Amino acid sequence: GAGVSQTPSNKVTEKGKYVELRCDPISGHTALYWYRQSLGQGPEFLIYFQGTGAADDSGLPNDRFFAVRPEGSVSTLKIQRTERGDSAVYLCASSSLTGLNQPQHFGDGTRLSIL
Amino acid sequence: GQQLNQSPQSMFIQEGEDVSMNCTSSSIFNTWLWYKQDPGEGPVLLIALYKAGELTSNGRLTAQFGITRKDSFLNISASIPSDVGIYFCAGNYQGGKLIFGQGTELSVKP
Repeated sequence: GAGVSQTPSNKVTEKGKYVELRCDPISGHTALYWYRQSLGQGPEFLIYFQGTGAADDSGLPNDRFFAVRPEGSVSTLKIQRTERGDSAVYLCASSSLTGLNQPQHFGDGTRLSIL
Repeated sequence: GQQLNQSPQSMFIQEGEDVSMNCTSSSIFNTWLWYKQDPGEGPVLLIALYKAGELTSNGRLTAQFGITRKDSFLNISASIPSDVGIYFCAGNYQGGKLIFGQGTELSVKP
């Protein structure tokens, strides 16, 4: 399809495990964003990429969280030693450029549950 | 840090009614965006506002960027059942980071 694609759509794992969440942005979009949404809340910013580089990672909660975008297209969000508090919907968005006039378009998210 | 206060948190609508919701911030923003989110899906962009004082419409939706750059409202006229969902405002100051409000949940009056 033409939209942002996120896989898997659901992920259930045990506390302490490692998880990887994947995002395929809209074709041609150079900017890619990760957000986390807890139940009943608005999305919270984690990190964004302009091309291959992380332009702002100020929202990553701690060093267990890491994201890469090696070829400037697909991105992977990696969470080590998962904790129950990491359970949330992880949303990815992309835009044609970073900046004030480029609206972000979201995927449907990965629902992560840590048991 | 920057925060957005969105109100009301929830509201019930009857088909045909007009609906209004707003967002305020203690900090200025350079862009305001309004999104709608349905259960199990990601937020979908409704309206983007780029200039203080700007009033923009998208069908039955109208949104305004406050002149102080610290607030925005969204109006929905003649609501229909498919308007049900959660509406989020979001602000951007610089770079790519969006700050979201807590959401306004629209439900149909029983």
